[in-house]
Amino acid sequence: SQQGEEDPQALSIQEGENATMNCSYKTSINNLQWYRQNSGRGLVHLILIRSNEREKHSGRLRVTLDTSKKSSSLLITASRAADTASYFCATGNQGGSEKLVFGKGMKLTVNP
Amino acid sequence: ETGVTQSPTHLIKTRGQQVTLRCSSQSGHNTVSWYQQALGQGPQFIFQYYREEENGRGNFPPRFSGLQFPNYSSELNVNALELDDSALYLCASREQGTETQYFGPGTRLLVL
Repeated sequence: SQQGEEDPQALSIQEGENATMNCSYKTSINNLQWYRQNSGRGLVHLILIRSNEREKHSGRLRVTLDTSKKSSSLLITASRAADTASYFCATGNQGGSEKLVFGKGMKLTVNP
Repeated sequence: ETGVTQSPTHLIKTRGQQVTLRCSSQSGHNTVSWYQQALGQGPQFIFQYYREEENGRGNFPPRFSGLQFPNYSSELNVNALELDDSALYLCASREQGTETQYFGPGTRLLVL
């Protein structure tokens, strides 16, 4: 079953613009992670935010987490054509379960 | 590069056959998880192995089974293949107690 839902499902922007992706989830979590996938291949880990954190930065990435709303957002600033990929949020749940529960993903296209 | 490799990259099987997919994790990563990703969907957790024992399982039937070996390699076995088993199969490894999972490039399985 899917936990996270990314929004929008697809986004097309011009190079240099910012891209914001949102993720909503249903149950309590231990952490939330964002991954990138190029052309249906392996997932690349981008950033992890724990349930007691509200914001985190990594290079051009900024992620926020609002546990009261059960939502997260990923901001990619100054986008590049190479950022074109599918992006997934995944939740790591409480209670010792260490599996990741993924959303359906969001397709980002950055036009040169 | 995540240091996680998978073989083969592509595989075609017919319904009813059996398949073995392989994964080689990073040295020191004693936890490996397997995920199934259908086209257009997010990855779904199959199961997790820690120190050669299964210690978590998703909503998959018993014909999906696995093995983990002391040399940080692992296998996913699927018996009695069905058409719906066509998907990208991803393995992910991590050190026990850490949260970030490192994914391999996946094996794309087509069942005819």
